[in-house]
Amino acid sequence: QLQLQESGPGLVKPSETLSLTCTVSGGSISRSTYYWGWIRQPPGKGLEWIGSVFYTGDTYFNPSLKRHVTMSVDTSKNQFSLKLNSVTAADTAIFYCATFSQGSVANYWGQGSLVIVSS
Amino acid sequence: QSALTQPASVSGSPGQSLIISCTGTSSDVGDYNYVSWYQQHPGKAPKLMIYDVSNRPSGVSNRFSGSKSGNTASLTISGLQAEDEADYYCGSYSSSITLVFGTGTKVTVL
Repeated sequence: QLQLQESGPGLVKPSETLSLTCTVSGGSISRSTYYWGWIRQPPGKGLEWIGSVFYTGDTYFNPSLKRHVTMSVDTSKNQFSLKLNSVTAADTAIFYCATFSQGSVANYWGQGSLVIVSS
Repeated sequence: QSALTQPASVSGSPGQSLIISCTGTSSDVGDYNYVSWYQQHPGKAPKLMIYDVSNRPSGVSNRFSGSKSGNTASLTISGLQAEDEADYYCGSYSSSITLVFGTGTKVTVL
């Protein structure tokens, strides 16, 4: 069974870039039919899909975030990553990495990583 | 693309059945059989409970079932148990955004 684990700074300053990495275990990121992606949840609020990336590098982003988001895959490390630039306090959230199968079903989730945007 | 609409809260007594609705549009719920449901306990990551409208992943109790009619999907919890108390989110493939979530429903077991 796939396991996912997020890692990255828990505090980012406004206007800077938020960077997170998700490490995958229990399967190869490049041998899977899954897409790999990110979902965020502001404290006390609902879920928002950020985007997804296939191991080939193909990406799909939430149109509301597209200008600020970059995603990539490192097959040698079995990891994929998220970069969100020009962050504001409104980007404070728990960020989850997840796998996505056909129909945008989020099958497996990481435990989540809280990122606070504050000076 | 707005979030799918769910009731903010529903409640029931142990043993009862609950239904949570999830209303979208003809661009998401109404046009695709790609509705999923997620359970989230406080401080935990969401867990997939239903996918493709009515399919249960391995290990999910058969007390959870899903259905859809038009632009509205529903999650039914039968034989309500204390452990079912959690937040529930629906999700749907969308032609405009790929994945849109519902607003979330807090289930309380009385």
